Amino acid sequence: GAVVSQHPSWVICKSGTSVKIECRSLDFQATTMFWYRQFPKQSLMLMATSNEGSKATYEQGVEKDKFLINHASLTLSTLTVTSAHPEDSSFYICSAQGQGSTNEKLFFGSGTQLSVL
Amino acid sequence: KQEVTQIPAALSVPEGENLVLNCSFTDSAIYNLQWFRQDPGKGLTSLLLIQSSQREQTSGRLNASLDKSSGRSTLYIAASQPGDSATYLCAVSGNQFYFGTGTSLTVIP
Repeated sequence: GAVVSQHPSWVICKSGTSVKIECRSLDFQATTMFWYRQFPKQSLMLMATSNEGSKATYEQGVEKDKFLINHASLTLSTLTVTSAHPEDSSFYICSAQGQGSTNEKLFFGSGTQLSVL
Repeated sequence: KQEVTQIPAALSVPEGENLVLNCSFTDSAIYNLQWFRQDPGKGLTSLLLIQSSQREQTSGRLNASLDKSSGRSTLYIAASQPGDSATYLCAVSGNQFYFGTGTSLTVIP
């Protein structure tokens, strides 16, 4: 099956620093990638949808200047948490959808646990 | 706006039992519905995908059904095993993906 690689798996950083998370589709071209975050014992929350070559669409309440998303190629999307603070500590997961209609399956990365000290 | 609800929120069963997880959604205009499992601290694993034109999908001990008109889907797990313990999420695809709240399953040896 299709593989989505997400790195890093976990990261600890100091408050005020920026953290970049990568999401790669290894054996298919992903026209659309989604970024989610999950707080403990809560369901996934969609943060933004990114389409290759265009600006990401952010969900209400998600700060686009804080969570920078770049989808420069059909196999790579990045999420940069800028000036991270402890409240940004969360589990971040990306997913990728192949070319074609929205009938395509979603494939998920393994997630990134971010801890901001 | 689409709302996806899963019942029950938590379920504990002895090993070997058959069980059903429920997922309901408010807007029947969906493209597909997917069931996932999530192990603690890990990403999601896709289990089954049902297109909007389909009624059910089967994979091993798992069977998922879809009734668009009533806005419901069920995930049936036969002969449950301790390794099935995880959180199960359903997601519907419309203009975007909407996730349910999840059911935390514990299978007791």
